Amino acid sequence: QQPVQSPQAVILREGEDAVINCSSSKALYSVHWYRQKHGEAPVFLMILLKGGEQKGHDKISASFNEKKQQSSLYLTASQLSYSGTYFCGTELSGSARQLTFGSGTQLTVLP
Amino acid sequence: EAQVTQNPRYLITVTGKKLTVTCSQNMNHEYMSWYRQDPGLGLRQIYYSMNVEVTDKGDVPEGYKVSRKEKRNFPLILESPSPNQTSLYFCASSKLATGELFFGEGSRLTVL
Repeated sequence: QQPVQSPQAVILREGEDAVINCSSSKALYSVHWYRQKHGEAPVFLMILLKGGEQKGHDKISASFNEKKQQSSLYLTASQLSYSGTYFCGTELSGSARQLTFGSGTQLTVLP
Repeated sequence: EAQVTQNPRYLITVTGKKLTVTCSQNMNHEYMSWYRQDPGLGLRQIYYSMNVEVTDKGDVPEGYKVSRKEKRNFPLILESPSPNQTSLYFCASSKLATGELFFGEGSRLTVL
């Protein structure tokens, strides 16, 4: 079951903040976040495990709300290099590493 | 250098002509997986493998086969390609303990 990402696209100015959401109708074991720049392979950002945790590095952080089966990716004071398509991937509880990705959120940061 | 290598990177073929896309990783990862990427649909998992001789279907396995005879290799086989298999394919691998996927550069396949 593919997770639902929102918004589908967002345009920001440098320095602005953004939030990307990922939700599932089924119980999740983990949520993965990846960023893909045009013409390149996806690159890992972070994994969050059930238990309701929060993670971050630099100005990109994420949370996982186990009760709502929802994760949010927070991009703070965005930089031009943050542009790309962000994908969340979800593992269902008991699914043994079957990772299903959402359809992606296209983020454009303008100078 | 730690990497996932896919070949070929680009391929144009005709309907029904069997082809194999190879994938090799040099990081001793247990887990390997194949995805296809189509506009608006994101990355869809085709097959995955958690170890040698262990493979499982992902969300879109129809028309594909895989094998995992060695830990480092995970080839994707299209026995009789059809135009709806025209797509960008990614192979990825990870350690089971961490789950962080490392992706290959992608293979763009066109089936005429």
